[in-house]
Amino acid sequence: GQSLEQPSEVTAVEGAIVQINCTYQTSGFYGLSWYQQHDGGAPTFLSYNALDGLEETGRFSSFLSRSDSYGYLLLQELQMKDSASYFCAVGPDSSYKLIFGSGTRLLVRP
Amino acid sequence: NAGVTQTPKFRILKIGQSMTLQCTQDMNHNYMYWYRQDPGMGLKLIYYSVGAGITDKGEVPNGYNVSRSTTEDFPLRLELAAPSQTSVYFCASIGTQGGGEKLFFGSGTQLSVL
Repeated sequence: GQSLEQPSEVTAVEGAIVQINCTYQTSGFYGLSWYQQHDGGAPTFLSYNALDGLEETGRFSSFLSRSDSYGYLLLQELQMKDSASYFCAVGPDSSYKLIFGSGTRLLVRP
Repeated sequence: NAGVTQTPKFRILKIGQSMTLQCTQDMNHNYMYWYRQDPGMGLKLIYYSVGAGITDKGEVPNGYNVSRSTTEDFPLRLELAAPSQTSVYFCASIGTQGGGEKLFFGSGTQLSVL
């Protein structure tokens, strides 16, 4: 089976940097994704790591260590609009299942 | 390009009623998914499909059925609705071409079973 663990809540100050961690257990591994979801909205794709290392997209970066079954999402220069829930997801695996973590609610304070 | 379209956006059902949540995508994606999201929780995979005529169970399939007669459409059927099925339902699709497996989500269906 597959399981993912993320912190339930993180609070940070506007302009700061925050890291959201994700650890996973999977029978097969095909990549780690990150999605953002604002209240009342649908999840939207942020990043995808298939290989070890850091992927950077603007203010957001995502890191993966396959040997440690660990990844993180790094948000820099936090803005109020970054207040949202952030989900890591593993897969799709060989059967094309894609499983989500329970999400981390980020609150950005002025 | 509409992406993934879900209907209806909101629905209230009585216990024991049935309904179909519609999902269609115009991106020619083979892989489609149904997730449910309870308040303040993550997304749970209900069913998914890797192509027309092929479906499989996810994490929480009980009480639901799906079909995939075309590449575009992936309806989710609720039989004998129960209060435990009160949730927000998201349909999504994923492209097979290119790197980066990116899910495209519909806007969701908020379902209440009373």
